[in-house]
This record gives sequence, structure tokens and C-alpha cells, in this order.
Amino acid sequence: AQSVTQLGSHVSVSEGALVLLRCNYSSSVPPYLFWYVQYPNQGLQLLLKYTTGATLVKGINGFEAEFKKSETSFHLTKPSAHMSDAAEYFCAVSDYGNEKLTFGTGTRLTIIP
Amino acid sequence: NAGVMQNPRHLVRRRGQEARLRCSPMKGHSHVYWYRQLPEEGLKFMVYLQKENIIDESGMPKERFSAEFPKEGPSILRIQQVVRGDSAAYFCASSPPGTATNEKLFFGSGTQLSVL
Repeated sequence: AQSVTQLGSHVSVSEGALVLLRCNYSSSVPPYLFWYVQYPNQGLQLLLKYTTGATLVKGINGFEAEFKKSETSFHLTKPSAHMSDAAEYFCAVSDYGNEKLTFGTGTRLTIIP
Repeated sequence: NAGVMQNPRHLVRRRGQEARLRCSPMKGHSHVYWYRQLPEEGLKFMVYLQKENIIDESGMPKERFSAEFPKEGPSILRIQQVVRGDSAAYFCASSPPGTATNEKLFFGSGTQLSVL
């Protein structure tokens, strides 16, 4: 069975500082990996995804993530935090051909002015 | 092109009543998924439907919950005889026809169900 662990339910960073949100997964087959962002009172929006190919994936709003098979990780980073990045972030995993996404419990990102 | 539309945004029910949650997928999308988000938890898959067919309902509770996606009209998630533990945010997502559709999911804004 697949699972996703997001370390840190709450993360606070200063505006302009590096953002690092951690995600580790468990999967018996090569996974598809996703990061979603949820702003207050809104649905989830896809930030980026890894399916095959290059392990460093660039997404919207300056975010990127690197798939590291040896560490079973898919951490999300952004070099310089902006106030508008404050939101909840979810990591998710699925198999190719499996329509179900398995989500982590989320990380709430707070940006300190 | 409107996104995935869910209504109502907020639904309050008393224990024992029925809750009906609606989801209109994006135009051209024929796959619908329902997820539930309990407080302080991630989203949990409930059911995957295509037009007039339930493809995977492995995440649906065995009793009181049902879902449909008719040929015409929105997808409906129905919860009969609601209990307090059903209080959660229910999200719908849709994707276009084709392979690897989990890569192309678009989520609605959710329905917050509160059971008194």
C-alpha cells in the first residue's frame, strides 16, 4: 500500500527565506508524485508533478521539487518566500494507471513579514 | 471555461438527515472523483466515477454513502442518516478522458458538511 509522510504540520519562514517542505513516500512500484496547494476556502491546485524523466521538477509560483528514489523523498522548495505563499501544502502519490491519489496530512506554511 | 463547481459550499444537517453534495466537472471532463478531508487529516479517496459507471468505490464507507454520475447533470454524493463523524470537507475532482488521468486532476472548492 502507498503512503505519504509530511514532516511538520506547521512551518514558518521569514519573507525572502528559503522554503523547504518535506515529503517522504512509500510505494511498491515507481510512483507518480504530486504537490498541491490549498488556499483558504479554495480547492486544491496542482503545483507540480513527477511522473517520469528528469528528477528535478519545476512548478508554478517558483516552486520546485526533486524526486530522490534512494531517499524515497520528494521535498518541495522555493528559494525566496513571498507573503502570498502562505497556504496549506499537500504531497500525494499514485501509481501509473491507478486513479487514486494518496495524500499526506498537509503542511501549513506561514510567512513572517 | 468554468472550473469544477461544487455546491453547496456549506451544508448543515442534523443527525439522521440526508446530505446531498453536487459536483459539476469541468467542460469536457468525463471522470469524477470524490475525496473527504477530515479535520487535521489529508484528503482520503472515496470513489471514482465515469459517466453512468462507478469505477472504484474502495474508499466509500459500506453503509449510508452512495455516489452517482448520471449521463446528464452533476455527480451526486449522497449520505443518508448522517452522524457527527461525517462532518468533513468533501472535495470533488475531475479529469478528461484518456490514460494517466490522475495527472490532470482539477479540484473544486469543496463542500463543508457540518452535522449537528
